[in-house]
Amino acid sequence: EVVMTQSPATLSVSPGERATLSCRASQSVRFKLAWYQQKLGQAPRLLIYGASTRATGIPARFSGSGSGTEFTLTISSLQSEDFALYYCQQYYAWPRTFGQGTKLEIK
Amino acid sequence: EVQLVESGGGLVRPGGSLRLTCVASGFSLSNYWMTWVRQVPGKGLECVANIKQDGSQKYYVDSVKGRFSISRDNAENSLYLQINSLRADDTALYYCARDSPGDSYTDCWGQGTLVTVSS
Repeated sequence: EVVMTQSPATLSVSPGERATLSCRASQSVRFKLAWYQQKLGQAPRLLIYGASTRATGIPARFSGSGSGTEFTLTISSLQSEDFALYYCQQYYAWPRTFGQGTKLEIK
Repeated sequence: EVQLVESGGGLVRPGGSLRLTCVASGFSLSNYWMTWVRQVPGKGLECVANIKQDGSQKYYVDSVKGRFSISRDNAENSLYLQINSLRADDTALYYCARDSPGDSYTDCWGQGTLVTVSS
């Protein structure tokens, strides 16, 4: 099973600033990496797939990068609605596995 | 509007069984791989079962093999998860999820149905 590790567990950032979230895979997953946002009481929402492609309706301030084992989600100029939990997921191999999440909180 | 609605969750004793149902609307289930994903309250996400469009291929995470069974009825636009021999660590919110066409990430999620295993 591919183990996904996200860092940091919690990230405190001020509105308007940039946030950088990291995700590492225990083995190469090529570009098969997705990012999801989850707010309290809601289902996850797809943000990024293919490591860097924004899903439909996702604002341009969200960007993804990386390949192989190292991936990054960057949110430029944080808005109030961006403070949430973020998960990365590899879909290169079954079982598809998620990272443990990064909580993005207001500083 | 594309929508997935789960039902069938509830409180069950250890060793018991439940059948979860997911009804899709706004699209034809027959065109998509589908997945059940669970989330322990306050914890992370785990893909537990996956099924091909025609039901001919099914995959399970090791922790549920032999106890969970995924199935579908495309005519009813419905997905199912039969869960047997329930254990306390199966307590979770179970999401029905649609796989993107041609790839394996999830592009649509239901709101989930809560399964609580307790004596």
